[in-house]
Amino acid sequence: IQMTQSPSSLSASVGDRVTITCRASQSIRSSLNWYQQKAGKAPILLIYDASSLQSGIPSRFSGSGSGTGFTLTISSLQPEDFATYFCQQSYSTLLTFGGGTKVEIK
Amino acid sequence: QVQLQESGPGLVKPSQTLSLTCTVSGGSITSGDNYWSWIRQPPGEGLEWVGYIYYNGNTFYNPSLSSRLTISVDTSRNQFSLRLTSVTAADTAVYFCARYRDYILFDYWGQGTLVTVSS
Repeated sequence: IQMTQSPSSLSASVGDRVTITCRASQSIRSSLNWYQQKAGKAPILLIYDASSLQSGIPSRFSGSGSGTGFTLTISSLQPEDFATYFCQQSYSTLLTFGGGTKVEIK
Repeated sequence: QVQLQESGPGLVKPSQTLSLTCTVSGGSITSGDNYWSWIRQPPGEGLEWVGYIYYNGNTFYNPSLSSRLTISVDTSRNQFSLRLTSVTAADTAVYFCARYRDYILFDYWGQGTLVTVSS
């Protein structure tokens, strides 16, 4: 299953609302996770099952969608949120990730 | 708190075998419905799932790598390992080990280790 993220990069300011989209090549129901990765670090799980917030993750992060279309929203971008975000499907036994969205400072 | 730590050579020659070990601490590798995984990331690129193993030895590999790949587990040492044969420059990447929990999500990751394939 191919996962396509858009945009591949974006520039935003602190306090902005940011939305990242992930599309699956076939229906994956709600089997979609979101991760944040900072340079030189391992990814951190933000959202699982499309919309469930992982423990310890700030509530400004939210996820939605099902089937083939999903979004990750950051309601008010904070300085520590500048990073690369990846989606990942767990519907198929062959696990796949999106190509990533880099969120940069405007 | 579960922790994972990768170890192994940082430089491998082309055509040789890449071997890495992941040591799990803070929990037993045999507990829960966990699949112990390898994921890699070429420099500046995205994430590629390599494969995973259950504590009983059941494995599932990415078909693009399966002919060269072996993942094994040592429950007595709370470790699992990756072996990738006949490597090329395309195998140069940061290799992460991670816990795939409940067949749903990656919740714990190692810090990653860069493996460069070069003569």
